[in-house]
Amino acid sequence: AQKVTQAQTEISVVEKEDVTLDCVYETRDTTYYLFWYKQPPSGELVFLIRRNSFDEQNEISGRYSWNFQKSTSSFNFTITASQVVDSAVYFCALSEAGESGGSNYKLTFGKGTLLTVNP
Amino acid sequence: KAGVTQTPRYLIKTRGQQVTLSCSPISGHRSVSWYQQTPGQGLQFLFEYFSETQRNKGNFPGRFSGRQFSNSRSEMNVSTLELGDSALYLCASKWGAGRYEQYFGPGTRLTVT
Repeated sequence: AQKVTQAQTEISVVEKEDVTLDCVYETRDTTYYLFWYKQPPSGELVFLIRRNSFDEQNEISGRYSWNFQKSTSSFNFTITASQVVDSAVYFCALSEAGESGGSNYKLTFGKGTLLTVNP
Repeated sequence: KAGVTQTPRYLIKTRGQQVTLSCSPISGHRSVSWYQQTPGQGLQFLFEYFSETQRNKGNFPGRFSGRQFSNSRSEMNVSTLELGDSALYLCASKWGAGRYEQYFGPGTRLTVT
């Protein structure tokens, strides 16, 4: 079965610290996609990034960066110089083929990591 | 472009009742998925609709059902509500049926008493 593990349940940092959120996944698919979403207190999940299994290049977007390592089945997310507005629950997710196979893809989410950035 | 909208945002129902939640996807998006979020189970996939057809279904009892209309709007229905159905129900839309990124709505907070 496909599985996503976010071992860190909660992380608390002080503003301007760097923080890395870990994500480890399991899949039997040879082609898969990984995602990160942010859920602020308002509740709406905000899409951050999508990465396919064939692209192991690291991605950087402003203060955010992602490290994808297929060898360790990990897709970690780093926030540089954290800010109070980064406080949220962050979810890692994996797309897998649904029961019907083909193009029926659903997201399997990790349990999330609650990040609190203190001023 | 307007985001995914969900109505109502909050709902309180009594055990045994039924409820219908509505989702309007981003314009042009033809796939709509529903997820249930609870503190204990986290985010769990309910089902996905594409072009008015259910493409995939999660591991939920038959009391949970859904449908999609020709304009891609979707509804989900929960019959014979149980206390354990209290959750945040999130709708997500994406352009096609493939592994595109999904965009989520603000959710409907359902409380069953």
